[in-house]
Formats: sequence, C-alpha cells, structure tokens
Amino acid sequence: EVQLVESGGGLIQPGGSLRLSCAASGFIVSSNYMSWVRQAPGKGLEWVSVIYSGGNTYYADSVKGRFTISRDNSKNTLYLQMNSLRAEDTAVYYCARENFHGNGDYFDYWGQGTLVTVSS
Amino acid sequence: DIQMTQSPSSLSASVGDRVTITCRASQSISSYLNWYQQKPGKAPKLLIFAASSLQKGVPSRFSGSGSGTDFTLTISSLQPEDFATYYCQHSYSTPPTFGQGTKVEIK
Repeated sequence: EVQLVESGGGLIQPGGSLRLSCAASGFIVSSNYMSWVRQAPGKGLEWVSVIYSGGNTYYADSVKGRFTISRDNSKNTLYLQMNSLRAEDTAVYYCARENFHGNGDYFDYWGQGTLVTVSS
Repeated sequence: DIQMTQSPSSLSASVGDRVTITCRASQSISSYLNWYQQKPGKAPKLLIFAASSLQKGVPSRFSGSGSGTDFTLTISSLQPEDFATYYCQHSYSTPPTFGQGTKVEIK
C-alpha cells in the first residue's frame, strides 16, 4: 500500500529555517516524480516544487532561491529545506507522488500534510 | 504561468441533484486537466485525470469532460459524502497550477 507521511512542521520565526520530511512506503521515491504542494489557511492549493526521477528540480517563483527539494534514496524519503521563511509561507505542506498518463500527469497519492506557521 | 479559473466559487445543492463545475484555462491545455476533491482537514483526493479518466475507486457518478480551454466536472447525483471543495489542476507545463476551488455545500 502506498503511503506518504510528512513531518517537520511547526512554529518558526520569520527569517528562520525548517526542513520538512516525507517518508514514503509502498513505492520507490527515486523512481517517481515527487512534488510539494502547499495550502495557506483557508486558501487554495499552490504547487511548490518537484524533483524528477532523474534528479532535476523545479520551483515556484515564490520560493525559488529559498527552498530546496531533495531526497534520500536509502531512506526512501523526500525533503523540503525551507530557508528565509516569510509569513506568507504559512501553510499546510503536502508531499505528493506524480503518476503519468498519455495526456499529462497527476498527483495520485498525497500525504496528510504538515503545518508550517511563520510568525514572531 | 497558465491561470485556471473555476466557476462557481461555491454552490448549494441537495442530495440527488446534478452538479456541474466549470474550469477554464488561460490558454489551451489539450486534455492535461485533473480534478481533485478535498474535505476539511484532509489531503486532496484525485477524482479525474486527463480531463475524463476516472481514477480507480472513484464512484461513477463523477465524470469529466472538455479539452482545450474549457472543462467540466459533473456529479450526476450528489451524495452526502460529496459535500467538499473541488479543484481543477492543469499538467500542461511547469508550474502546474490549480483553480481557486469550488465549495459544494448542503442546501
């Protein structure tokens, strides 16, 4: 059974750093495209970053230069290193697996989310 | 970036009603369109991918249609467990973007 379990969220001051983890089971993280998607309180969904199976990474403009996505193949775990955090980064962060179809890809499995609150 | 616009932002409906939600892309995205359902405090759940393909395990009362810039999600007979927020998302290019959501409430 596919499972994604996020951890690492919490309360952090503006300008601080935090690392989120997403432990996967039931599939191999490094063989898949894996994304982080966030949701600010009461708001919609915003894609944050992706790491491809080949290792290429991409970021939303809103986090480029501040966030880094990575994975540990030995632990089958995805990470999101978040630096220079701002109040507007406050959100529930979900990790999600991408699956593919002839007409594009889609997020077929999601974690339960971890809340990051940036506040003084 | 491609902008996704959903309408309506919210709707009230009764159990048994037929419900239609629309999603419009700011440029043509072929059939690179997915639909998700989200309940309060829970992660989104994939309903439809590639505009019209039903994800395994999703009830057949959910259906999707459209291509190019205009898409619809239809719930043929609304059930109590369908009251939730629905999001469309394109996968045509990076970044993938979501619509702002449509909240389906009980009338």
